[in-house]
Amino acid sequence: DAGVTQSPTHLIKTRGQQVTLRCSPKSGHDTVSWYQQALGQGPQFIFQYYEEEERQRGNFPDRFSGHQFPNYSSELNVNALLLGDSALYLCASSLKQGRTEAFFGQGTRLTVV
Amino acid sequence: DQQVKQNSPSLSVQEGRISILNCDYTNSMFDYFLWYKKYPAEGPTFLISISSIKDKNEDGRFTVFLNKSAKHLSLHIVPSQPGDSAVYFCAALAELEYGNKLVFGAGTILRVKS
Repeated sequence: DAGVTQSPTHLIKTRGQQVTLRCSPKSGHDTVSWYQQALGQGPQFIFQYYEEEERQRGNFPDRFSGHQFPNYSSELNVNALLLGDSALYLCASSLKQGRTEAFFGQGTRLTVV
Repeated sequence: DQQVKQNSPSLSVQEGRISILNCDYTNSMFDYFLWYKKYPAEGPTFLISISSIKDKNEDGRFTVFLNKSAKHLSLHIVPSQPGDSAVYFCAALAELEYGNKLVFGAGTILRVKS
């Protein structure tokens, strides 16, 4: 079981550009959530996908969007990048039903210059 | 509005002794809590969880205590080992209308000295 995999691991982008981050959930998991972790802070919830739809959204602007595919994998897109978007982006997978722990990927370190 | 707080940014403990990491929350609707450990360049890994119907949950060297009236939980690691050196995050599961999310504290850096 490969667990949650994210790609790429590191990325450098210029202000104003767009970026796409990818996530494959743990085998058997049907729900994917995305978190942003700024330096020195805990992860902050961006949104959650289930059955290919965004089910819940945190306090992030519309520049942040996502997608979930039929195989449960997911993408996070960020448009019009700002310097403040520099952070570690974490993908977590879980089961919709029941209270099971979320499994996290290793994250994508995004640097906006 | 920080609903989950870890007020100690760092903690240093001697190998073999007990490590106690604390966490406070403000939302009385939270009833399921988790602890995650994070090494540099890795994602958070699940350690242990506790439901509000319990006041203690134990898994090997790790024990989590929950005091609902005080809205406080703590993670005890006994005995502490150098490999336990990492950032520890306390999280509460927030049940939302169409899903859920984890609300994290800012983390505590634990250093176990050998």
